[in-house]
Amino acid sequence: EPEVTQTPSHQVTQMGQEVILRCVPISNHLYFYWYRQILGQKVEFLVSFYNNEISEKSEIFDDQFSVERPDGSNFTLKIRSTKLEDSAMYFCASSPDLNEKLFFGSGTQLSVL
Amino acid sequence: DQQVKQNSPSLSVQEGRISILNCDYTNSMFDYFLWYKKYPAEGPTFLISISSIKDKNEDGRFTVFLNKSAKHLSLHIVPSQPGDSAVYFCASNGGATNKLIFGTGTLLAVQP
Repeated sequence: EPEVTQTPSHQVTQMGQEVILRCVPISNHLYFYWYRQILGQKVEFLVSFYNNEISEKSEIFDDQFSVERPDGSNFTLKIRSTKLEDSAMYFCASSPDLNEKLFFGSGTQLSVL
Repeated sequence: DQQVKQNSPSLSVQEGRISILNCDYTNSMFDYFLWYKKYPAEGPTFLISISSIKDKNEDGRFTVFLNKSAKHLSLHIVPSQPGDSAVYFCASNGGATNKLIFGTGTLLAVQP
């Protein structure tokens, strides 16, 4: 069964550094998402992406965050200057269409020191 | 207000018995609901969904019930198996958006 793949599985970085989290969505899917889960809290929506542009973003997704689909297969989340509170599990997801179920990757555990 | 609530952080059930996981939502405009299961160190995995035009959807051992007047849905697993032990998240698409709003999750432990 096709799956969403995320790399790396763990990322440790110093506060203030830039990080890029990478995802390969399922190939025929059209909608792409990033979510995150801070330890002990709920899974939170960050951003959705369709037709090469952001379709919706949450309050969390401020100017420090950006997303890109550089080559038609990868979908990346960049955090320009990481903060301690960015430490979380980041999940990429994709869906074939609007209002369809989302398929999630295994996540990248980001630790900001 | 866009909230999905799971008021039980954990549930323990004997193998073979029924597991009932509950979820409440606050906005009557929500029209599509999903249940996801999550094992440690893995992403959420889709289980079952229901649209607001239905009040029940069944898939094998999993049944989701929707009570729109009470803004409540529940997931029934019968019979429960030890492999069902995981965190279960209720989610909604929020009515008119393409994002999912998740509840806080319920940790289900199925005892052999």
